[in-house]
Amino acid sequence: QVQLKESGPVLVQASETLSLTCTVSGFSLTNYGVIWVRQSPGKGLEWMGIIWGDGNTDYNSALKSRLSINRDTSKSQVFLKMNSLQTDDTAIYYCTRGEYYDGTYYPYVMDAWGQGASVTVSS
Amino acid sequence: DIRMTQSPASLSASLGETVNIECLASEDIYSDLAWYQQKPGKSPQLLIYNANSLQNGVPSRFSGSGSGTQYSLKINSLQSEDVATYFCQQYNNYPPTFGGGTKLELK
Repeated sequence: QVQLKESGPVLVQASETLSLTCTVSGFSLTNYGVIWVRQSPGKGLEWMGIIWGDGNTDYNSALKSRLSINRDTSKSQVFLKMNSLQTDDTAIYYCTRGEYYDGTYYPYVMDAWGQGASVTVSS
Repeated sequence: DIRMTQSPASLSASLGETVNIECLASEDIYSDLAWYQQKPGKSPQLLIYNANSLQNGVPSRFSGSGSGTQYSLKINSLQSEDVATYFCQQYNNYPPTFGGGTKLELK
């Protein structure tokens, strides 16, 4: 059974760094990319970045200067770090995963999602 | 980035009714389109991919269609459990982008 679960602080001060962990089970991080998506009332759903099965990363250019995604395959964990937080970074942060259909990998068709981590940035 | 525009932003429908939600892409996305359902307090759940392929386990009353820049999600015989917000998402161009959502309520 595929599962993803986010964990991290609920409240972060402005200008500080957000650190979130996504712990996965039911699949290998070397076979699937893991994506971070956030959702806020102001910006809706926003694709943030991906760490691929080979460990490479791609980021949304709007966040690239502040965002890093890493992983520990031995612990089945993916880590998000985003610095210089502002109040409009207040959002629910999800980790999610693509899927294979008929032998083709669709990294951006997200079939499994964590329950989300609600993060408030306080000024 | 490709802009995805959904309409309507909200709609109210009766049980058993047929509902259509539209999604317009700012450029051709060649059917690389997914639909998600999000119930209050829950994560989005995949309904449709490749514009018209039903995700495993999704009821057959859900269907998707469209091509080019115009796509739609159809819900036949609306059920109470279909009350949710629906999002379209393109994955033809990087980065993937989402529509603003359509909130479906019962009349």
